[in-house]
Amino acid sequence: GAVVSQHPSRVICKSGTSVKIECRSLDFQATTMFWYRQFPKQSLMLMATSNEGSKATYEQGVEKDKFLINHASLTLSTLTVTSAHPEDSSFYICSATTSGGASYNEQFFGPGTRLTVL
Amino acid sequence: QKEVEQNSGPLSVPEGAIASLNCTYSDRGSQSFFWYRQYSGKSPELIMFIYSNGDKEDGRFTAQLNKASQYVSLLIRDSQPSDSATYLCADKEGGGNKLTFGTGTQLKVEL
Repeated sequence: GAVVSQHPSRVICKSGTSVKIECRSLDFQATTMFWYRQFPKQSLMLMATSNEGSKATYEQGVEKDKFLINHASLTLSTLTVTSAHPEDSSFYICSATTSGGASYNEQFFGPGTRLTVL
Repeated sequence: QKEVEQNSGPLSVPEGAIASLNCTYSDRGSQSFFWYRQYSGKSPELIMFIYSNGDKEDGRFTAQLNKASQYVSLLIRDSQPSDSATYLCADKEGGGNKLTFGTGTQLKVEL
């Protein structure tokens, strides 16, 4: 199956700093990438949908100026958490898919990035 | 607002038994449905998807879809301790790629 990687897998930072998380599709071209956030014992919440070469579409309640998403190529999307605070500590997971619309199109998930803000 | 609902559990079953996981969804426009397994601290991995009414079997797993009742289920036969995880149900809107996840059901398979 298709492989999606994330880097870093774990990051600890001080409050007020910015953190960049990379999501790469290793063996396929991802026309669409998704960024999710998961708090302990909760489900995945979609933050934004990112299409290559265009601006990301953010879900309601997600601050686009705080969570900057760049999808500059068909294999790389980045999420930057700007001025991180302890409440941003969470498990961030990206997924990628190849094309739109077909019912069975699978989202391939990355391994996730554990962010801890002190 | 679209909702996908699951019982959070935990659902405990003995080893070798059938585990039955259920999910309901609110959007009649949803076209396809996915079951993911998530181990603690890991990202979800796809078990099965289904988009036609009825049953779909893959090894020990059977997904069942009833669009009239807006109900999806996952049966795990011959449950193993390694099946202990959180199972997430998700639906996908027609014509798009966005998934809406339920809160997940924690399954514990006991020796």
